[in-house]
Amino acid sequence: LAKTTQPISMDSYEGQEVNITCSHNNIATNDYITWYQQFPSQGPRFIIQGYKTKVTNEVASLFIPADRKSSTLSLPRVSLSDTAVYYCLVEGGGATNKLIFGTGTLLAVQP
Amino acid sequence: NAGVTQTPKFQVLKTGQSMTLQCAQDMNHNSMYWYRQDPGMGLRLIYYSASEGTTDKGEVPNGYNVSRLNKREFSLRLESAAPSQTSVYFCASSEAHYPDTQYFGPGTRLTVL
Repeated sequence: LAKTTQPISMDSYEGQEVNITCSHNNIATNDYITWYQQFPSQGPRFIIQGYKTKVTNEVASLFIPADRKSSTLSLPRVSLSDTAVYYCLVEGGGATNKLIFGTGTLLAVQP
Repeated sequence: NAGVTQTPKFQVLKTGQSMTLQCAQDMNHNSMYWYRQDPGMGLRLIYYSASEGTTDKGEVPNGYNVSRLNKREFSLRLESAAPSQTSVYFCASSEAHYPDTQYFGPGTRLTVL
């Protein structure tokens, strides 16, 4: 069962790059890594997904080392509106009932 | 295109009462999910439906039942509500079973007294 471990909270300032790391030591061969963002009183929103190496889209990058036991979400030049909880999710292997979100990382961006 | 909608937005129940949370998606997705989120915690999967006509238990199914009414709708029923079921409930859908982007609804805040 691929549980995830993330820092509970992080602080940053506007314009900085933020890197949030997730540990998933028991990741299985078929598992993918997905990150979601959640604002207060809203449902989570998809940010990025990857399997290995590096994935980049218009809002973030995801770095996955060769052993895949961890992953890092990189948010370039954060703004106040990026203040949210970020969840790392390891999913796949056909075991949907094992979809488990961790407790997430609360990112607080200050001016 | 409304995405995923949930009703009601808020609900207060007394212990032992029953209710059904409704969820609908207009994206023609095959898979749908029900999660609960307790204060300071992540989301926990209650039930999911990989495709129309199928439902399966998630991590915390006890005390709940679900119905995949058609491709669009997936309801969650509490037969006899308990205070431990006080939570925010989120419905989600995805085009494929896994691993695929899940689109979440706005949530239903349920309080059981």
